[in-house]
Order: sequence, then structure tokens, then C-alpha cells
Amino acid sequence: NAGVTQTPKFRILKIGQSMTLQCTQDMNHNYMYWYRQDPGMGLKLIYYSVGAGITDKGEVPNGYNVSRSTTEDFPLRLELAAPSQTSVYFCASSYGAGMYSNQPQHFGDGTRLSIL
Amino acid sequence: GENVEQHPSTLSVQEGDSAVIKCTYSDSASNYFPWYKQELGKGPQLIIDIRSNVGEKKDQRIAVTLNKTAKHFSLHITETQPEDSAVYFCAVGSTDSWGKLQFGAGTQVVVTP
Repeated sequence: NAGVTQTPKFRILKIGQSMTLQCTQDMNHNYMYWYRQDPGMGLKLIYYSVGAGITDKGEVPNGYNVSRSTTEDFPLRLELAAPSQTSVYFCASSYGAGMYSNQPQHFGDGTRLSIL
Repeated sequence: GENVEQHPSTLSVQEGDSAVIKCTYSDSASNYFPWYKQELGKGPQLIIDIRSNVGEKKDQRIAVTLNKTAKHFSLHITETQPEDSAVYFCAVGSTDSWGKLQFGAGTQVVVTP
């Protein structure tokens, strides 16, 4: 049982480069989330999706884009990498039953991204 | 928006002793309170959660208590073992939030043999 799978695990980018962080889940969850984790800061929500074709901004969306064409996949795109985007990125998913639903989120093991 | 504060930031305990981590929140509409454990190089893993209609929940050596009036909830780990060493995060979910969570800053727990 794979759960939430993130690739790559590690990446070093140069300033101004772009890349896509991949996230896929096999639990048929309709809700998916992207977080970044900086030392001592907890997890901050970047973007989230409540179903295929539906995405919305979280707390720190600037510099990122997302898409959700299938239930399983939720890629995160960095267009012009900046040093401030050096972080650990986590993807999560949960079963969602509507606006008022709170269900446990399941996390991947993260992508460690350095921008030099 | 919701503000979640978590204390302490680091906690060192002797094996066999208890550990307590406390979180406070600001939004009275908050109704879901999960706790996550994160081991080095891994993603956060849910260890226990509680909803606002329950005051306490226990699972073996782990328990969570909720005080809605004071807007705080706590994680209690009894009979700590070295494998309990990790970073623990509290989180808060609110009604009409599409399952989104607001996380605390985390507590580094070190259990010494």
C-alpha cells in the first residue's frame, strides 16, 4: 500500500530555473494539499484541491502553481525558483465529504529542495 | 485567521517518564484537533485526533485532552520509550474549511535511556 508518493526526494535548483514536484495517491482521496516546512515553522499550506479540476490558494501561494487533472495526481510547479523557496515540501491527501468535513490527512515523505 | 501556538519547542524526558505538549488556538469555530508525529526524513504521521464533542481520547500510551472553553488541547505520552523521540505537531481544523489544517510549530521530543 503506497499511500502518498512524492518525487523526487531531493533536488538542487539554480535561481530562475523551474521544476515540477510530483505527488500521487492511491487511496481515492478527493482532497489533496501541498505544504512547505521550514525549520521551526511548522507546515504552511501552499495550495489545495477538493477534486479534479478544482484548486485554491492556501496561506503561502506566491511563486507556485498547481493543477489537478485526475483524482490521483496533484503536481506543484515552481516557475522561477528563488532562494526563499528552499524548503521541504509535503503533499497530503484526505477523504473529503464536503465543506464541513475534517478527516485525517495522509502525508508523503517529502521533497527536499535547495535553490542556490 | 486561526492562530495555533505549541509549547514547549523542545522536551527532553527520561525513558519511562511522561511527556506533555500543549497547544492553544484562537478560533472558537475550530472542531478538529489532530496530532502528528514526524520522524527524521519522513512525513508527518497521524497518531491521534479528537473532535470538539469529546473531551478526552486515549490510545494505549497516548492521550489527548481538549478544553474548549480555554481553547487548548494537550498530548500526553506515558511510559516514554526511545522510539517516541521525534517531532510532534498539533493541528487545528475548523468548520467550513474544506479539511484544511493550521499547524503548530512543532515540539522536538528526546527520550533518553
